[in-house]
Amino acid sequence: KQEVTQIPAALSVPEGENLVLNCSFTDSAIYNLQWFRQDPGKGLTSLLLIQSSQREQTSGRLNASLDKSSGRSTLYIAASQPGDSATYLCAAEANQAGTALIFGKGTTLSVSS
Amino acid sequence: NAGVTQTPKFQVLKTGQSMTLQCAQDMNHEYMSWYRQDPGMGLRLIHYSVGAGITDQGEVPNGYNVSRSTTEDFPLRLLSAAPSQTSVYFCASKEGLLGELFFGSGTQLSVL
Repeated sequence: KQEVTQIPAALSVPEGENLVLNCSFTDSAIYNLQWFRQDPGKGLTSLLLIQSSQREQTSGRLNASLDKSSGRSTLYIAASQPGDSATYLCAAEANQAGTALIFGKGTTLSVSS
Repeated sequence: NAGVTQTPKFQVLKTGQSMTLQCAQDMNHEYMSWYRQDPGMGLRLIHYSVGAGITDQGEVPNGYNVSRSTTEDFPLRLLSAAPSQTSVYFCASKEGLLGELFFGSGTQLSVL
């Protein structure tokens, strides 16, 4: 059974720092991996989707990498801003037809000004 | 496009009552799913559908029913609400099995 783990559970940084959020998964046979952002009391917003054949995806100040062999993905946030404060979740799409994303429990990021 | 729309946003039920959480998407997505989010448990899959007329169980299906009569709609029914079903419920959809998953804004449900 696929399990997704995110470490650390919480992270506090000053504005302007570059930071890395970690995501690990137990079954390397995944279709894709997706990173989401969730603000308090809100739904999830998709940030980046990495297909299994890809190594990384970039959007603005965000860069996500995928290493299937080691069962790891990272989300790199450059020049962090207070508006980046939120919970970040990763989810792995298991390699089975008709299945769904398995989510980690998230990393709650706080960026202070 | 409105994306994924969930109603209601908030609901309070008494134990034993039934209700339906509504979910609609206007992106012509084949795949739709329901998750519940609980503190310390993360997001867990309740039911999903890969197309109209096709549904299947996820990780925590007990106490919930679904149907998919159209591509656009995927309602979640609570047959007899229990306090353990107090949670935030999210509906999500994507185009095809490998597409990007889009979420609705959620329904906060309290069962007393």
